Amino acid sequence: QIQLQQSGTELVKPASSVKISCKASGYTFTSNYMHWIRQLPGNGLEWIGWIYPGNGNSKYNQKFDGKATLTADKSSSTAYMQLSSLTSEDSAVYFCARDGTYYYDGFAYWGQGTLVTVSS
Amino acid sequence: DTVLTQSPALAVSPGERVSISCRASEGVNSYMHWYQQKPGQQPKYLIYEASNLASGVPARFSGSGSGTDFTLTIDPVEADDTATYFCQQSWNDPWTFGGGTKLELK
Repeated sequence: QIQLQQSGTELVKPASSVKISCKASGYTFTSNYMHWIRQLPGNGLEWIGWIYPGNGNSKYNQKFDGKATLTADKSSSTAYMQLSSLTSEDSAVYFCARDGTYYYDGFAYWGQGTLVTVSS
Repeated sequence: DTVLTQSPALAVSPGERVSISCRASEGVNSYMHWYQQKPGQQPKYLIYEASNLASGVPARFSGSGSGTDFTLTIDPVEADDTATYFCQQSWNDPWTFGGGTKLELK
């Protein structure tokens, strides 16, 4: 079965960076888009961007340009998101999610989420 | 950005039919999807492209709509359906989510 296993909770200081991982299994990692989404404390969901591990192409929500960097390691079927220049407003749960059958089909499979807390 | 507007909350009795609406600020073709989220869990894929049932989702769930107005219907509602429901569009950049509708059972 398709699974996305994310790394654990992070407590980080303001102005620092953090890198979250998402290990995929149960499908061909290079054949689907991997998206990243965050959920703010008020429950609002924001789409951050995607990476296509097959060729390394990525696309970002303009809001997250310069904030998030998406990468993927084909050898370990793992996607990564690095968040930089963190502020308290970046405190959220971050999810990786794989697309459905087609690119426009939304997010069919989700990781369990990684809580990032930014605090001094 | 495309704003998706949902009613904040609904309360229904088990066995009833409930419709959850999602209105887009601009057309999204049929590329509207629905998710169910329970506290402490990741969202679950329910409906894709407005009306297609995701694999393993009970037939009590259905979706309809196109353009700017979309509806998720649950008929009949069961106790386990207590959750927050989100719509999400993948037609306009950036992809966006609605604010969620919290469904409570009476």
